[in-house]
Amino acid sequence: GQSLEQPSEVTAVEGAIVQINCTYQTSGFYGLSWYQQHDGGAPTFLSYNALDGLEETGRFSSFLSRSDSYGYLLLQELQMKDSASYFCAVRGNQAGTALIFGKGTTLSVSS
Amino acid sequence: EAQVTQNPRYLITVTGKKLTVTCSQNMNHEYMSWYRQDPGLGLRQIYYSMNVEVTDKGDVPEGYKVSRKEKRNFPLILESPSPNQTSLYFCASKTGMNTEAFFGQGTRLTVV
Repeated sequence: GQSLEQPSEVTAVEGAIVQINCTYQTSGFYGLSWYQQHDGGAPTFLSYNALDGLEETGRFSSFLSRSDSYGYLLLQELQMKDSASYFCAVRGNQAGTALIFGKGTTLSVSS
Repeated sequence: EAQVTQNPRYLITVTGKKLTVTCSQNMNHEYMSWYRQDPGLGLRQIYYSMNVEVTDKGDVPEGYKVSRKEKRNFPLILESPSPNQTSLYFCASKTGMNTEAFFGQGTRLTVV
């Protein structure tokens, strides 16, 4: 079967750094993505890792280790507006038709 | 503005009454997909389409139909809705091989 595991909730304070982990088990793997969703709104794309290593985009970074079937999203200098749900998603086939999402991590940032 | 548009945003209906949720994108994307989101279950794929007249089942297709007669539109059809289809539905689109998917604003459906 296919599954992605990520923590259900994470809490942090403004200015802190938080890491959201994602482990996956899929029949095919062609990359790991991260999406952000505020209050049931449209999920928005944050980052994508096809190869091992760290990808940095401003305050957000994403890491992938294919040998460990593991990735994480790192959020630095947390702001209140970062309070949201974060989903990891695996591209399950080469055609890109299978985009399999984890159950999401709710991040709460307090002042 | 590049966007994916779903309608309606909110819908309350009764069991068995056929309904259609529309989805339209203006980015000329080949790939479109429908997801449902339920508390604690994340986003689960219902159906997807790689291009006009090409559709395929996702993980939870039972009780749903789709069609792709035009590239920009991908309606989701519930022929006989049941209460277990009460959910938040999202349409998404992307270019075929690309990773970044663009989502609509969601349709909150309640079946009573």
